[in-house]
Amino acid sequence: DQQVKQNSPSLSVQEGRISILNCDYTNSMFDYFLWYKKYPAEGPTFLISISSIKDKNEDGRFTVFLNKSAKHLSLHIVPSQPGDSAVYFCAASLASYGGSQGNLIFGKGTKLSVKP
Amino acid sequence: DTGVSQDPRHKITKRGQNVTFRCDPISEHNRLYWYRQTLGQGPEFLTYFQNEAQLEKSRLLSDRFSAERPKGSFSTLEIQRTEQGDSAMYLCASRRDSEAFFGQGTRLTVV
Repeated sequence: DQQVKQNSPSLSVQEGRISILNCDYTNSMFDYFLWYKKYPAEGPTFLISISSIKDKNEDGRFTVFLNKSAKHLSLHIVPSQPGDSAVYFCAASLASYGGSQGNLIFGKGTKLSVKP
Repeated sequence: DTGVSQDPRHKITKRGQNVTFRCDPISEHNRLYWYRQTLGQGPEFLTYFQNEAQLEKSRLLSDRFSAERPKGSFSTLEIQRTEQGDSAMYLCASRRDSEAFFGQGTRLTVV
């Protein structure tokens, strides 16, 4: 049973427009959420995170929104750039497993393509 | 470079052989994680250390897999009697506060 779901395997966006990547989770005990970006043959690179006590966190072009009642989070990239083309993973930490320092549970990823 | 370092980057081995991977975490990070990633999947948790103590192991970690973190610094992941299904990218991550930082991974191919 997959606890973190990214239902869109791929997303294509025009350069300069907004990219919205979505993530749903099933376990209400998750207390910390992270987004990672991954290029082929490299390890995931940390992008942005959000604690369950917040509903928004912004860092430059990247904003993460958390809707706890819907068990849903999203990553917004504005404006999108061709260099943003990569696979994006959503991850969550379980409070009972050490909370924000515990094991990360990942979704399957969404491949973003930003076209010039 | 003060990031997470993994060695080797690539490993090709024959089925039945043993392999060992090394991970050097960011020096002030007390938590170290091993993950495995196959094509089309997100990273799957294998095991996690806080300092030298192995605190959690996934059921994915069969008896053929063993991990150590002597002295709470670098860690090794050994796979004995490799099988073709072990072919994957093996990722190491370290964490002090909330964000986990990953190494480049070791790509294992079992032929």
